[in-house]
Amino acid sequence: RKEVEQDPGPFNVPEGATVAFNCTYSNSASQSFFWYRQDCRKEPKLLMSVYSSGNEDGRFTAQLNRASQYISLLIRDSKLSDSATYLCVVKSSNDYKLSFGAGTTVTVRA
Amino acid sequence: DAGVIQSPRHEVTEMGQEVTLRCKPISGHNSLFWYRQTMMRGLELLIYFNNNVPIDDSGMPEDRFSAKMPNASFSTLKIQPSEPRDSAVYFCASSLGGAVDTQYFGPGTRLTVL
Repeated sequence: RKEVEQDPGPFNVPEGATVAFNCTYSNSASQSFFWYRQDCRKEPKLLMSVYSSGNEDGRFTAQLNRASQYISLLIRDSKLSDSATYLCVVKSSNDYKLSFGAGTTVTVRA
Repeated sequence: DAGVIQSPRHEVTEMGQEVTLRCKPISGHNSLFWYRQTMMRGLELLIYFNNNVPIDDSGMPEDRFSAKMPNASFSTLKIQPSEPRDSAVYFCASSLGGAVDTQYFGPGTRLTVL
């Protein structure tokens, strides 16, 4: 079983729509959680950290469910520029390693 | 501030040739990571340095791969001899270090081995 699993998508949504997707992680000792964004042929960039209480950053909302070991990302009022692959990333507290999911591809169409 | 710098951005070489990829981490960062990304396997950690010392090289595929970090501002990843299956995008990332820290990725080197 992979450490981090994601629905690869693609999620094709119109501008202005809301899109949400999850990832699951297998290591219950995981302590830090992130969403990274990767544009086509570019490097991954941190989108946001995910906190236990859930957090928002503009149109983006991240949630963590430790009991079920999943993380979610919701994008409201989608923009064309939101088209990218979103990588779910998990890290144990006593470990430097980031475990990356394979990514969920989102395409926002006009 | 400059981010992580990698060179070359693209490399095309023939099987059997030596390939050297270079990375300059963000100034002040004490952790450096080399990753490989392919469609089939996604992002894989190859090696991790902390304060210029290799801490974990368990992700290095085989002896053909080697990495060095002679000082805090420079690291190399070498493949010798290269094989077609080494074709991938190689990313270098750096971080301040610590329990909860952000890794900043360089633009990557797209390697094609013919």
